[in-house]
Amino acid sequence: SQKIEQNSEALNIQEGKTATLTCNYTNYSPAYLQWYRQDPGRGPVFLLLIRENEKEKRKERLKVTFDTTLKQSLFHITASQPADSATYLCALPPGGGADGLTFGKGTHLIIQP
Amino acid sequence: DTGVSQDPRHKITKRGQNVTFRCDPISEHNRLYWYRQTLGQGPEFLTYFQNEAQLEKSRLLSDRFSAERPKGSFSTLEIQRTEQGDSAMYLCASSVNGAPNTEAFFGQGTRLTVV
Repeated sequence: SQKIEQNSEALNIQEGKTATLTCNYTNYSPAYLQWYRQDPGRGPVFLLLIRENEKEKRKERLKVTFDTTLKQSLFHITASQPADSATYLCALPPGGGADGLTFGKGTHLIIQP
Repeated sequence: DTGVSQDPRHKITKRGQNVTFRCDPISEHNRLYWYRQTLGQGPEFLTYFQNEAQLEKSRLLSDRFSAERPKGSFSTLEIQRTEQGDSAMYLCASSVNGAPNTEAFFGQGTRLTVV
């Protein structure tokens, strides 16, 4: 099964700076990778999906990269704002033809004004 | 609101009692998932339905857990003889037809506390 590693410690970033979150995975390379945002007491909200043949994906202030050689995805938030403070989850398909998603533990991002 | 709806939002139960949660997915979605999330962890996959058929079950889903989706619309997750270790957030998600690698839409979750 897939194992996903995300920074378990909180990431503190000053408002206006770029926040960069890391997702590393072991074992096989997935066909795609997804990033979700989760606020306290709420369900995750989908942000971006990047496929294995895509190096980079952008959506407004968000950018995701996918390096299948390093087995790593980076998630960037540019011009960060306090409202971006949340937990960000990386998710991959479990492999072996199975459905559902395997999630990392998430990184808690704090944008300080 | 046409998103994924879960009921109840919170449930406190005594150990040994049975509990049942309900999930109403987005109407045009035929795929429905149940996940469990504990504090400081990401969601863990429990089970998956395509229409009314339960196609996958995680090893996390012990014999005390059962899920149904009788008409391919709403789903229920029942936990029998609850244990304190069952305390968690139970999340339901749905996704569009025939698209295994598109986004999942999550509900707000049901927070279960077993005392």
